[in-house]
Amino acid sequence: DTAVSQTPKYLVTQMGNDKSIKCEQNLGHDTMYWYKQDSKKFLKIMFSYNNKELIINETVPNRFSPKSPDKAHLNLHINSLELGDSAVYFCASSQGGTAEAFFGQGTRLTVV
Amino acid sequence: AQRVTQPEKLLSVFKGAPVELKCNYSYSGSPELFWYVQYSRQRLQLLLRHISRESIKGFTADLNKGETSFHLKKPFAQEEDSAMYYCALAIQGAQKLVFGQGTRLTINP
Repeated sequence: DTAVSQTPKYLVTQMGNDKSIKCEQNLGHDTMYWYKQDSKKFLKIMFSYNNKELIINETVPNRFSPKSPDKAHLNLHINSLELGDSAVYFCASSQGGTAEAFFGQGTRLTVV
Repeated sequence: AQRVTQPEKLLSVFKGAPVELKCNYSYSGSPELFWYVQYSRQRLQLLLRHISRESIKGFTADLNKGETSFHLKKPFAQEEDSAMYYCALAIQGAQKLVFGQGTRLTINP
């Protein structure tokens, strides 16, 4: 019944590794997002996709590559992980862009 | 540039006392504002939005365009209100939410 689900919930990995976080929504929304919450709990948008098309890329390093195979999925792949990538990553979706956004439970990424 | 400011990082009040979480925004267009809440170990969820002018869990928020504010208020705080609260601004046509820094509200018994 979960509306927006992310996997994994926790991810601990070494510097330099490549990892992916998956996100799926079953709400039929046309827009999906990735947000990053840093250690100070500050939430910032990274990417926004509308109908599988990238519409927002907020000056995120190109080590981060989102992929949207269909409207219901938006995955985040991160290459060459750095210590500063440690954060909680939230996937979200909405219908019509600026309407109410539904968030996943977050993925806590720890780079050691 | 669009910006949302929540001046209080931490706010602590006693149960039964009034609560006000401050939010100010900077945006040249017509603002669409939200309050999101994150309870302990739960996902971020919408609390209320300014266009619906509703009261959720006793909370209200009024958009004041003159003061560019959207403060969240509740007359009598309850312990279950303890959470992280985020004010957010939807950018028209840009399809994104700009969040404030968040305010951690703690209700003391």
